[in-house]
Amino acid sequence: QSVLTQPPSVSGAPGQRVTISCTGSSSNIGGGFDVHWYQHLPGTAPKLLIYGNNNRPSGVPDRFSGSKSGTSGSLAITGLQAEDEADYYCQSFDSNLSGSVFGGGTKLTVL
Amino acid sequence: QVQLQESGPGLVKPSETLSLTCSVSGASISSYFWTWVRQAPGKGLEWIAYVYYSGSTTYNPSLKSRVITSVDTSMNQFSLRLTSVTAADTALYYCARVIGYCSGGMCYSGRFDPWGQGILVTVSS
Repeated sequence: QSVLTQPPSVSGAPGQRVTISCTGSSSNIGGGFDVHWYQHLPGTAPKLLIYGNNNRPSGVPDRFSGSKSGTSGSLAITGLQAEDEADYYCQSFDSNLSGSVFGGGTKLTVL
Repeated sequence: QVQLQESGPGLVKPSETLSLTCSVSGASISSYFWTWVRQAPGKGLEWIAYVYYSGSTTYNPSLKSRVITSVDTSMNQFSLRLTSVTAADTALYYCARVIGYCSGGMCYSGRFDPWGQGILVTVSS
């Protein structure tokens, strides 16, 4: 059972918009700690997609955006492309555990 | 650019110790916090530890009693040892750099970037 809760799967057609939620609690996201998002393709290294709730590293397309409100974070992907099919993970810091926590991951399927 | 590479045995016997090394290039090991993360088959990512060259470390409470980490500044490497392994420790193990505010061994806003490619460790007799 992950400390941060994500939907197991989401799907969308090419060109559409999808969102992935990441729900935590007052000891992590709700406590003011940042939410970060990673894209993970099997057999490859996870890639930082969004950091500090809503910042994109250099090279990440602006089709990817992040937001945070209360005890939840959210990743939005617009203009879905086949190459976006991957697993997506959120991450934050938890003060009860004194360490990083991840969501269980969300598998994005591009129909 | 910064690159990380995990190395170590791919097969460890139950009750023995898993030992992995992460070699860093493109950045000084003493300039950042570093981390270990693992992914068991069919499961999500699990944070294992923060590591700093000074010895400041924080471990996942669920693994704390079995984890030992170290840093070799002369080789620009850091290492993970996990004792008394069982089949539940079979996983892809990743190392990564931590970027963000860290203090007292904890990284409060730490994001992980970049990551190594990962190394599969199987625990089996």
